[in-house]
Amino acid sequence: DTAVSQTPKYLVTQMGNDKSIKCEQNLGHDTMYWYKQDSKKFLKIMFSYNNKELIINETVPNRFSPKSPDKAHLNLHINSLELGDSAVYFCASSQAVWADTQYFGPGTRLTVL
Amino acid sequence: SQQGEEDPQALSIQEGENATMNCSYKTSINNLQWYRQNSGRGLVHLILIRSNEREKHSGRLRVTLDTSKKSSSLLITASRAADTASYFCATVPSNFGNEKLTFGTGTRLTIIP
Repeated sequence: DTAVSQTPKYLVTQMGNDKSIKCEQNLGHDTMYWYKQDSKKFLKIMFSYNNKELIINETVPNRFSPKSPDKAHLNLHINSLELGDSAVYFCASSQAVWADTQYFGPGTRLTVL
Repeated sequence: SQQGEEDPQALSIQEGENATMNCSYKTSINNLQWYRQNSGRGLVHLILIRSNEREKHSGRLRVTLDTSKKSSSLLITASRAADTASYFCATVPSNFGNEKLTFGTGTRLTIIP
């Protein structure tokens, strides 16, 4: 059973398009996260949700809008995609906020042409 | 800015040898975590060590923490080809209101069969 799943695994799109990445966890965790990993493998937090409430928005452009319909899902919608958005996006979850082990999804490689 | 800096950036050793990776960080922490990332995959949690702990073991992994030097090390003993991966340290600051998990730059470990 996959603990944290993301779809799609790969996403190739043109500049200016709008796209969404979906994330689901079946661990019963309260907290979910979105991270961005750049080409140098640097991993940075974007958003964190606890019980469907946004608790961290790490100075991400407002073209990025997370949505959490329930505790098990945290989707990421990106408007007006730019070349610099190309990266691998990881969803993660944990039982408690931050000071706890995080479980990562397999990642979504986004390529903007 | 990133919290953790890892050293070395890349490490190649023969199978069966021990591998040591170091992580330095800047601010006081609640805990420090080590993660492994295989190529093209998500991150997998290895060990969490709290600020009041000095050493933890898990199988062939040994983590030490020196809060006076703001540093940690990960030792993998009797390395195997399957240990080839990138290893990241991540810290949770101790100051309330800033409890985001911040990742280091990573060490790329290659085990030569």
